[in-house]
This record gives sequence, C-alpha cells and structure tokens, in this order.
Amino acid sequence: GESVGLHLPTLSVQEGDNSIINCAYSNSASDYFIWYKQESGKGPQFIIDIRSNMDKRQGQRVTVLLNKTVKHLSLQIAATQPGDSAVYFCAESRTNAGKSTFGDGTTLTVKP
Amino acid sequence: DGGITQSPKYLFRKEGQNVTLSCEQNLNHDAMYWYRQDPGQGLRLIYYSQIVNDFQKGDIAEGYSVSREKKESFPLTVTSAQKNPTAFYLCASSNPGTGIDEQFFGPGTRLTVL
Repeated sequence: GESVGLHLPTLSVQEGDNSIINCAYSNSASDYFIWYKQESGKGPQFIIDIRSNMDKRQGQRVTVLLNKTVKHLSLQIAATQPGDSAVYFCAESRTNAGKSTFGDGTTLTVKP
Repeated sequence: DGGITQSPKYLFRKEGQNVTLSCEQNLNHDAMYWYRQDPGQGLRLIYYSQIVNDFQKGDIAEGYSVSREKKESFPLTVTSAQKNPTAFYLCASSNPGTGIDEQFFGPGTRLTVL
C-alpha cells in the first residue's frame, strides 16, 4: 500500500539556523505534494506545494525539493525562528484521487 | 470571515454513547474530509466527500459514519462500535477543481470517552 513517511520524528535547531525536514513517499504515481505546519492544539496549515513536473519550489523563507528518482522530498526553512516550532507534515496525492495521504510528522523545536 | 469551523473544541462522552462532531465551511468548497490524529502520529483519513450527497470511506472508517446533505456541512458520528474513540478529530475542506488541492483545516475537536 501507499505510505508517506518522515525520516526523523524530531528536529532541534538553533534560532537563525536553517532547518531541513525530510519526507519519503512510496507511491510512484503521486504527482502532487504539500507541506503543512501544525501548531500545538490547532489544525494543520498549508505551507507550500509542489507538482511532480517540478524539482524545486520556493516560498517566503521555505523551499521544497522533490527527487522523484528516490521518491523523496524535503522542506527547507531559512533562518529558523521560534515561531517555526511546530509539527511538519508532508502529504501526497494523485490527480483525481480525491484524497491525500499524510506522513507521521516531524516535530521542529527552535532553541533561542 | 471565510473558514472552516468545528464544534465543540472539547467533548466528553461516556463509553457506549454515539456522539456527533460538527464541521461547517463557508469557503464554497466541494470536498470535505475527516481525519483522526492520535498523540505523536500523523493524520489518518476516516471519510471524505467530493460532492454533496456522496462520500467514501477512508483508511479507518470502521465505527464512524458521516452525511453530506449540504455543501457546507459534513458531520461525523462516532458510534459505540468504534473501539478506541478518544482522539483529536480534524475536519478539512478543499476545492480540487481549481487544480490546487490544498486542504483547509478546522481547529479540531478533542474527544474523550470516559
């Protein structure tokens, strides 16, 4: 079956450093990927997305990289701030599937 | 304000009772979803609906039921058949027809079964 997983359950970084959160997926038919951020006690929020016809997409302080060969994507956060502390989920879907599959999440802790 | 709401935020029920969780959206989204989240885990899909009057089972539908009689509403009933119902429940909506399948999440309902 399909699954989406993350390499590390927790990540701790110093404020101002860059963060890299990784995600592996198993379904080669997946063509759309999203990163979400979930703060404690709240619902997840969209950060950035990428389609399978792209290798890289940049947003404000965030970059998503997609490597289809090894079925891996990563979220890079530049100049990590305390407000970035949260759980980050990757999600994958296929066009017209009507649903997404979420990974288990990585907890990012930013130390001042 | 446009958004998706869930109520209540906290819910307590006795074992053996059915309970219905509310989810409403005013984003005019076609698709709606229910997820369950257990501590330290990701989101698991319970049910989803791509259009009014239609819904499909997700990965963990056993012990749950839904209805989609109106576009803006997608209530979830946790039945007494659900063996371990205590969890954080998240509702989401999206508009797949736009080509961007970002899901907008509600604030969640934390259900505790005593």
